[in-house]
Amino acid sequence: AQSVTQLGSHVSVSEGALVLLRCNYSSSVPPYLFWYVQYPNQGLQLLLKYTSAATLVKGINGFEAEFKKSETSFHLTKPSAHMSDAAEYFCAVSDPGGGNKLTFGTGTQLKVEL
Amino acid sequence: ETGVTQTPRHLVMGMTNKKSLKCEQHLGHNAMYWYKQSAKKPLELMFVYNFKEQTENNSVPSRFSPECPNSSHLFLHLHTLQPEDSALYLCASSQESGRGANEQFFGPGTRLTVL
Repeated sequence: AQSVTQLGSHVSVSEGALVLLRCNYSSSVPPYLFWYVQYPNQGLQLLLKYTSAATLVKGINGFEAEFKKSETSFHLTKPSAHMSDAAEYFCAVSDPGGGNKLTFGTGTQLKVEL
Repeated sequence: ETGVTQTPRHLVMGMTNKKSLKCEQHLGHNAMYWYKQSAKKPLELMFVYNFKEQTENNSVPSRFSPECPNSSHLFLHLHTLQPEDSALYLCASSQESGRGANEQFFGPGTRLTVL
């Protein structure tokens, strides 16, 4: 069975500061990994995904994530936070051989302060 | 309309009511999903349909009854719900669900309150 752990249900950063949202996964096989963002009163939007190609994945809105197999991690980063980045972020994992079923973490609420 | 749409956006119902949630995708996808999003809990996959056939039922109570008449439409019929069923219900779609790398596109959700 797969699982996802997102450390920190709430993260607060200053505008212009580095954003780091943590995601660790547990999977018996090399998984596919995703980061989604959810703005208030909206559905989830894909930021980026890892599907066994390059380990450093670039996504939309300046976000990127690095797959580290040895650490079973897929942390999301952005060099400089913007007020518009305030949202909830979800890490998810799927088994390449198990259809398209996503297992989500509990989410991290990002707050950006002036 | 573009992307994935859901109606209604908000629904309040009593425990004895019967209501339906509707999802429509305009992306030409073959797979559709229902998720439940409750506060402080991970998104829970409820049902998966692939080419109109149900391929996943994640031990969902029978008071939730899905229907997928074609690859573009997905319904969730609700009857005799409980207050703990109050949540945001999200619909998603993707290319056929056999490959785990396919991105899922989400609708805005229906906020359900059961009194």
